[in-house]
Amino acid sequence: SSELTQDPAVSVALGQTVRITCHGDSLRTYYASWYQQRPGQAPILVIYGKNNRPSGIPDRFSGSTSENTASLTITGVQAEDEADYYCYSRDSSGHRGVFGGGTRVTV
Amino acid sequence: VQLVESGGGLVQPGGSLRLSCEASGITFSYYWMTWVRQAPGKGLEWVAHINQDGTETHSMDSVRGRFTISRDNARNSLSLQMNSLRAEDTAVYYCARGVRELRRDWFDSWGQGTLVTVSS
Repeated sequence: SSELTQDPAVSVALGQTVRITCHGDSLRTYYASWYQQRPGQAPILVIYGKNNRPSGIPDRFSGSTSENTASLTITGVQAEDEADYYCYSRDSSGHRGVFGGGTRVTV
Repeated sequence: VQLVESGGGLVQPGGSLRLSCEASGITFSYYWMTWVRQAPGKGLEWVAHINQDGTETHSMDSVRGRFTISRDNARNSLSLQMNSLRAEDTAVYYCARGVRELRRDWFDSWGQGTLVTVSS
């Protein structure tokens, strides 16, 4: 399968922890990367590879992977974390890319 | 790093449009480049990518044969030629700089997007 599946929405209280998951067969072979998108803005990279954060991304963002599931965890959620989050990886062919459907995080 | 898309607009079904993405502040030829689109109110959709020297390209099934991705490293420019456009191609189109390794890839810089509307 070339699909990545995410829950459409999740709610979390300020200061609590939220985990966003992404399921797909290709994740057994390829790592996911994660993107935050606020309304009206371009996406930004928050996690890539096993658990790497680009410069400027707070350390409350972390990533993990297990078998066919990649996860993005936000520990100590802040109001500014309210956004849509997308996972991305290669499809099962390894040649093309695919995004998950996105998860809307409401704080 | 700055990526600036242009070329979007209103086009009739069956028409053509050419999108461009100008890069500055990066060594353009070092990176894979990708087009990602987002239909109004929908999620991100990977469209196509091209390797550093333009010898390898891949695209999603629904645009293959209609869209062509290309690059000009001398001009730090990425293009997407879109033919036989359909209503379902209506979206904001983003260009993104990609890093591609053996088991992982990611997009660490994005443009602000250009809107393509396919409608009669």
